[in-house]
Amino acid sequence: NAGVTQTPKFQVLKTGQSMTLQCAQDMNHNSMYWYRQDPGMGLRLIYYSASEGTTDKGEVPNGYNVSRLNKREFSLRLESAAPSQTSVYFCASSELEGSSPLHFGNGTRLTVT
Amino acid sequence: QKEVEQNSGPLSVPEGAIASLNCTYSDRGSQSFFWYRQYSGKSPELIMSIYSNGDKEDGRFTAQLNKASQYVSLLIRDSQPSDSATYLCALRSNDYKLSFGAGTTVTVRA
Repeated sequence: NAGVTQTPKFQVLKTGQSMTLQCAQDMNHNSMYWYRQDPGMGLRLIYYSASEGTTDKGEVPNGYNVSRLNKREFSLRLESAAPSQTSVYFCASSELEGSSPLHFGNGTRLTVT
Repeated sequence: QKEVEQNSGPLSVPEGAIASLNCTYSDRGSQSFFWYRQYSGKSPELIMSIYSNGDKEDGRFTAQLNKASQYVSLLIRDSQPSDSATYLCALRSNDYKLSFGAGTTVTVRA
């Protein structure tokens, strides 16, 4: 049981390049999330998908797009990377019920030069 | 005002002491509250969840929730060097989003 799997683990981009961060979960969870974590800022929600077929903006959506490909997979795309997007990105999943905690992937460390 | 505020830290406690972590929140509609532990370079891992007013104990950890005061805390008893980490307070409101505080870094001195 792998839980939440994120790829890649590390990535370096030049300003203006694009890339897609992949996330898959095998826990049959309905909801999936993308967060970014910067020093001193905690975890900030970029986008989330409460259930298959729906996506919603979080706190910091600008510069990102998402796709809920199916119940298992939720990808995050940077169309034109900027140095301000240098961060650690975490994907997470949970059940739809409000009492359910998030289960996190191992993170992707992205550097934009 | 930030949605979730944690005491800024860092918090340094001697081994065997109690570490006390505090969190306040602004959304009275918040229903579920969580404490996560995050070691440096790792992903957050759930250590406690609490949904009702009062105390909830799990081993050396006790979570306390007071919805009237919009306050949730975490006590770590008999602190060990392995408890040295950043602790994140999180809450879920009615729209499925989980909001996190900035975290409090705890260092347990041997």
